[in-house]
Formats: sequence, C-alpha cells, structure tokens
Amino acid sequence: DTGVSQNPRHKITKRGQNVTFRCDPISEHNRLYWYRQTLGQGPEFLTYFQNEAQLEKSRLLSDRFSAERPKGSFSTLEIQRTEQGDSAMYLCASSLVWGGQGRQYFGPGTRLTVL
Amino acid sequence: TQLLEQSPQFLSIQEGENLTVYCNSSSVFSSLQWYRQEPGEGPVLLVTVVTGGEVKKLKRLTFQFGDARKDSSLHITAAQPGDTGLYLCAGGDGQNFVFGPGTRLSVLP
Repeated sequence: DTGVSQNPRHKITKRGQNVTFRCDPISEHNRLYWYRQTLGQGPEFLTYFQNEAQLEKSRLLSDRFSAERPKGSFSTLEIQRTEQGDSAMYLCASSLVWGGQGRQYFGPGTRLTVL
Repeated sequence: TQLLEQSPQFLSIQEGENLTVYCNSSSVFSSLQWYRQEPGEGPVLLVTVVTGGEVKKLKRLTFQFGDARKDSSLHITAAQPGDTGLYLCAGGDGQNFVFGPGTRLSVLP
C-alpha cells in the first residue's frame, strides 16, 4: 500500500492557461474523489468516480473544470482558462466501497497558484 | 444543502490542558467523521461514528455523536504539541461527504 499520490505537488500558472493534475489512488480502490480546499476552509467536494464511471459532477465549479478516470485507475482533473480564484489546494481521495461508504484515504494534494 | 459548522474556528492552548471542539448541523447524517490535517498534507481519518449517542475513544481523544445525529464533539485530554493541526468533521449521506471549515488547534509547549 503506497497510499494515494498526486502530481504535481505544486503548480504555478498564469491566468488563462490550462492545467491538469493527476491522482493515482490506492490499488484496487474502486472510488476516487476530487475536492478543492481553500485557505481556512474544509475540503469542498467536486466530483467522484466509481471505477471509470463519473457518478457525480454537478458540483464541479464551472464548465472549465473536468475530470476523467478512463481505465478506472488513475484520474486527471483539468482546469481550462484558469482564473485567480482557482488558486487552492486540490485533493484527491480513494476508497474501497461495497454498498455504503468506505474510508477515504487522501493524497497530499496539488497546490495551484494562478498569477 | 447540508452544511456543517465547527467551533471554535481557532484554539490556542498550553500543553497539558483539556479542550473540546464542536461540529454542528441542521441536517441529519448517516455517519460523521473526524479528520486531522497538517500543513501541506491531506486530511487523515481519526474516527467514524454512525449511531446516535455513540462515544468512541482513541487514546486521549474522545468523540461523541449527538443523539439526533446532527452534531458531534471531540474532546482532547492533556493536549500535546503533536496534537496541533486542523480538525475537520465531515458528514456523510451515503454518496459523498460534506466537510466543515475546521478548527485550527495550536498546542504550545
């Protein structure tokens, strides 16, 4: 068990650029979640996958945000045309769920700074 | 929309003191979790409570779930500098979790 990993750990970009973050969940975990956390706040749920199916995406912050998990393993979160307000920590979590909710294991996050 | 409030927002105490932090909501949750988060890291699960009135102990930490499953408390006995961190509660509804804003605890030696 190597834990949930996220890359990059830090990303600095200019406003208007596109960015993509990667999350590698714990092997065999079937659920993968994306959260955003701003300073002084708790994580804010964005979307989640059950295997390769994206089951909830209505909470993605705008149509500039999209996520994929093409093979049911790693996932990517893309933000297009970044804005300064997108600056935050982006957290990924994974869990093994069989009916009900399993424990979520969080990665260390990707800190995005938009200049 | 389910919302969780946490109080106090900030707490600074001396090593050895006891403290209680609170998590409140107007919504009923099927489960409630407490996490601790350190700077630059993701949250780490401390406990999950699922039954109204449930009390769980983890060494010096005592967690209680309210009878109506709308609120919870975390009590720390004889706090240590290693307890410093952001304490988050999260309510689950079977599909995903809603996090509170957290209580930032600082334990001074």
